[in-house]
Amino acid sequence: GAVVSQHPSWVICKSGTSVKIECRSLDFQATTMFWYRQFPKQSLMLMATSNEGSKATYEQGVEKDKFLINHASLTLSTLTVTSAHPEDSSFYICSARDPQESPWDSPLHFGNGTRLTVT
Amino acid sequence: KQEVTQIPAALSVPEGENLVLNCSFTDSAIYNLQWFRQDPGKGLTSLLLIQSSQREQTSGRLNASLDKSSGRSTLYIAASQPGDSATYLCAVRRGSSNTGKLIFGQGTTLQVKP
Repeated sequence: GAVVSQHPSWVICKSGTSVKIECRSLDFQATTMFWYRQFPKQSLMLMATSNEGSKATYEQGVEKDKFLINHASLTLSTLTVTSAHPEDSSFYICSARDPQESPWDSPLHFGNGTRLTVT
Repeated sequence: KQEVTQIPAALSVPEGENLVLNCSFTDSAIYNLQWFRQDPGKGLTSLLLIQSSQREQTSGRLNASLDKSSGRSTLYIAASQPGDSATYLCAVRRGSSNTGKLIFGQGTTLQVKP
């Protein structure tokens, strides 16, 4: 089945630095990928929709200059948390849909997530 | 605004029990509903997807039902096993296509004791 790979699985960084998270579709091409954030004991919240070859679409309240998304190829989207602060510490998960699957009922496939801790 | 609520937030049962997890949503105008499993510190695994026109879906020991008019879905797990211990999330997709935004509930954390 479709596999989405995320890297790194966890990262610790100092306040003020930037962190890049990669999301790859391993066996399919994804024109669209989705980035979610999950705080402890809370649900997933969609941050942005990453579109290959064009600008990402950000959800209300998400700072596009802080969370830079680049979808440079059909198999790779990156999320860069710029000038990270402790409040950015969270679990970041990406997902994508395999266009080869049914367009009507294909599920989203999720990566294993990245645990970001900003000290 | 679509809101998704899952009850209970946590559940602990002995191995072998049948159990039901509940999911409710405020706006019945959904395209589909999906149940996921999340293991600690991991991503999500899709379990079942129910289209808005369907009433239920089954996969092995799992059965998910959907009552769109009342804004409810249930996930039934038969003969629970310790390996079923995880957080279960339901998510509804807004709108009229499979490209609409997914709205997640907060999840039910299940512990199955051997």
